[in-house]
Amino acid sequence: SQKIEQNSEALNIQEGKTATLTCNYTNYSPAYLQWYRQDPGRGPVFLLLIRENEKEKRKERLKVTFDTTLKQSLFHITASQPADSATYLCALAPNSGGYQKVTFGTGTKLQVIP
Amino acid sequence: DGGITQSPKYLFRKEGQNVTLSCEQNLNHDAMYWYRQDPGQGLRLIYYSQIVNDFQKGDIAEGYSVSREKKESFPLTVTSAQKNPTAFYLCASRGSMNTEAFFGQGTRLTVV
Repeated sequence: SQKIEQNSEALNIQEGKTATLTCNYTNYSPAYLQWYRQDPGRGPVFLLLIRENEKEKRKERLKVTFDTTLKQSLFHITASQPADSATYLCALAPNSGGYQKVTFGTGTKLQVIP
Repeated sequence: DGGITQSPKYLFRKEGQNVTLSCEQNLNHDAMYWYRQDPGQGLRLIYYSQIVNDFQKGDIAEGYSVSREKKESFPLTVTSAQKNPTAFYLCASRGSMNTEAFFGQGTRLTVV
């Protein structure tokens, strides 16, 4: 069965460092992968999308990589700030079936320490 | 401001009661979705609707019902048949030109 794995343990890093979050998947051939940010008690907010034929995507301090051979996406936040503290979800979309077929990971909680 | 609004933010239900969660969007999106989020689990799809007056079951539809009488509104009813309703419920919408979903702020339902 399809499986998405994100590190369930919280990631604590020092302010100013680069945070790297991992999303691994098995038994899945995604057309694209999305990253969302979720603050406590709030809904997820879309951050970035990367397609299967793209290796890397950047947006301001955010960078996403996508390795379909390793079946892994890495999400980087450079020059991290305490305001970046949140839970980050990855979501995989198949080649067909529409958004209703998107599968979400459990999320990784990031804590940036001042 | 355009957006998607869920209400109430917190909801308490007695066992055996039906409750309805509201979801309204003014983004002119055709597609709307209801998810359930539990600790340690990814979002799970309850129901979705791609157009007015049409909706489909998701992965965990048992014990839930929805309606889509207006484009802007997609209410979710948690019935007494749902055995474990305590959870965080998220509504989302998506336009045909979007690959991402726009989420509401969520409703936390607690059975007392």
